[in-house]
Amino acid sequence: KAGVTQTPRYLIKTRGQQVTLSCSPISGHRSVSWYQQTPGQGLQFLFEYFSETQRNKGNFPGRFSGRQFSNSRSEMNVSTLELGDSALYLCASSLQSSAGGETQYFGPGTRLLVL
Amino acid sequence: GQNIDQPTEMTATEGAIVQINCTYQTSGFNGLFWYQQHAGEAPTFLSYNVLDGLEEKGRFSSFLSRSKGYSYLLLKELQMKDSASYLCAVRVAGNTPLVFGKGTRLSVIA
Repeated sequence: KAGVTQTPRYLIKTRGQQVTLSCSPISGHRSVSWYQQTPGQGLQFLFEYFSETQRNKGNFPGRFSGRQFSNSRSEMNVSTLELGDSALYLCASSLQSSAGGETQYFGPGTRLLVL
Repeated sequence: GQNIDQPTEMTATEGAIVQINCTYQTSGFNGLFWYQQHAGEAPTFLSYNVLDGLEEKGRFSSFLSRSKGYSYLLLKELQMKDSASYLCAVRVAGNTPLVFGKGTRLSVIA
């Protein structure tokens, strides 16, 4: 079974631009979560989608948004990029939802550099 | 808020045993996960504990004490390929996202 895939793997943008990242979960998985990983802050939760609905949202500004499609694929968008948005963006999928012992499987991430 | 603490870095010798500790202060508890992340790669699932005690899986074991808000990951017979970051994560309640510690970077030396 194919794992979680994310595109693109690397991205360079300039301040003020916007970016869209894509995540395809493991086949059959309905929950997709997004995380931002930086050396100083570690993994920080952005949002989770389940059956096309945002179930949970982290403490990020409204410039960060996402959506999920009927095939469970998910996209996240960051508008008006800032230098501090440079990070590894990780997507994780799980079978039903982020509940209990449900294991999340991570994709390889998209490394975003904002200049 | 939720707080999860892990040592930032550890170094251990090939063939030895290393214990990576994780303490948490959270408003609830519904399970603790350990992930391994090699540089530039995705985190991969290692273990899950929800009840007190030790879970063993090959060279890796994970222990949980809910009363103490404490877990550790034990790696035996260390190999060079075990050099990675180890992430501790807590699920505070059902249907809530995992809260991650900042990770422990383990270096295995010859």
